[in-house]
Amino acid sequence: AQSVTQLDSHVSVSEGTPVLLRCNYSSSYSPSLFWYVQHPNKGLQLLLKYTSAATLVKGINGFEAEFKKSETSFHLTKPSAHMSDAAEYFCVVSEVRGGDDKIIFGKGTRLHILP
Amino acid sequence: KAGVTQTPRYLIKTRGQQVTLSCSPISGHRSVSWYQQTPGQGLQFLFEYFSETQRNKGNFPGRFSGRQFSNSRSEMNVSTLELGDSALYLCASSLITGRHTEAFFGQGTRLTVV
Repeated sequence: AQSVTQLDSHVSVSEGTPVLLRCNYSSSYSPSLFWYVQHPNKGLQLLLKYTSAATLVKGINGFEAEFKKSETSFHLTKPSAHMSDAAEYFCVVSEVRGGDDKIIFGKGTRLHILP
Repeated sequence: KAGVTQTPRYLIKTRGQQVTLSCSPISGHRSVSWYQQTPGQGLQFLFEYFSETQRNKGNFPGRFSGRQFSNSRSEMNVSTLELGDSALYLCASSLITGRHTEAFFGQGTRLTVV
């Protein structure tokens, strides 16, 4: 069965230090994987996506994620956190089965940036 | 290019009432999806419409319904409201359907049921 697990509901890092948001997935088919960000009182915005091309995916605002099939992981990283990165981040898995696109969102990780 | 527009932004309704939410997708986008976001359950997929047809449906009761018009605008209706229906309802539009590529989200409608 298809599922997404975001291992941390909250992550706190100091400004200027690296960010790691963890995501593990389960999929019976070749999935597409995404990270979205949601700032307070805003809709979701796509950060990056993996669709079976390069396993290291670069996104907007300096974020990147690496697809590791052996570990079924798609962790989101950024070398140096900025105050404006404080938001909620969602890992998403999508697979097409029987002509239907099944989309599952993780429960989200709230990123706090400490000054 | 205008983004996804959801109206109204905020709503307060009483238990037992019904509500209709509206979503105008990005111009040229034909796929519209609806999501419910709550602190307890997170983001859950409600349904997707493409070219006025429901293509995909999540695991919600029949009180939740939707439709899409010929101009791709979509409405979502919830009948016999329950307290647990209080949530942020997000609409997303996409250029195509069949495989999730990128969804553009509106700011949502925050529904409070009292």
